[in-house]
Amino acid sequence: DTEVTQTPKHLVMGMTNKKSLKCEQHMGHRAMYWYKQKAKKPPELMFVYSYEKLSINESVPSRFSPECPNSSLLNLHLHALQPEDSALYLCASSSGLAGYNEQFFGPGTRLTVL
Amino acid sequence: QQPVQSPQAVILREGEDAVINCSSSKALYSVHWYRQKHGEAPVFLMILLKGGEQKGHDKISASFNEKKQQSSLYLTASQLSYSGTYFCGTEAGTASKLTFGTGTRLQVTL
Repeated sequence: DTEVTQTPKHLVMGMTNKKSLKCEQHMGHRAMYWYKQKAKKPPELMFVYSYEKLSINESVPSRFSPECPNSSLLNLHLHALQPEDSALYLCASSSGLAGYNEQFFGPGTRLTVL
Repeated sequence: QQPVQSPQAVILREGEDAVINCSSSKALYSVHWYRQKHGEAPVFLMILLKGGEQKGHDKISASFNEKKQQSSLYLTASQLSYSGTYFCGTEAGTASKLTFGTGTRLQVTL
């Protein structure tokens, strides 16, 4: 199984809502990532988890809260988002951090904040 | 700082070749290449490491000039399936993370 799954595929939320994005992989990878991608732009790294511990936080606003409950799961909790947070949120995993380890991306969650 | 890719966009006829360049202002440890088709996830193509190691698909080739912090992706005998946006991802120093480049949109036509 070389797949990274993400749910939901699409999410529309108001600025006062709380929602969560979910990512799952069963490749035994120990590094997992959240990226944000705006239309026609490259993916921008948000968070990196290594062995279930937060390794990198790219100065992301606190309205985004990541969680790694176990080695296969990665969540992104959303609260009080702004319309400019509307984007495609991509999850990825790799067997190790960067270097010689390719990242496997999920299909993404397209988020719209009203 | 984001790596800069050139060209920004290119249109090819099937069977033609293309070169996509990626340039960074930082000393690099590795360069990754990914292709993203519209509405889909990025897909891994190549990794090039400082020191010369490479990993990737047989039909794709790339180079990495460590001194110039530049990498090039070579697409030969292009096929319709090569269409998409190509991103380089660079790893600078001991950052253990990728910073993706500005992207190159490639369209292959009949």
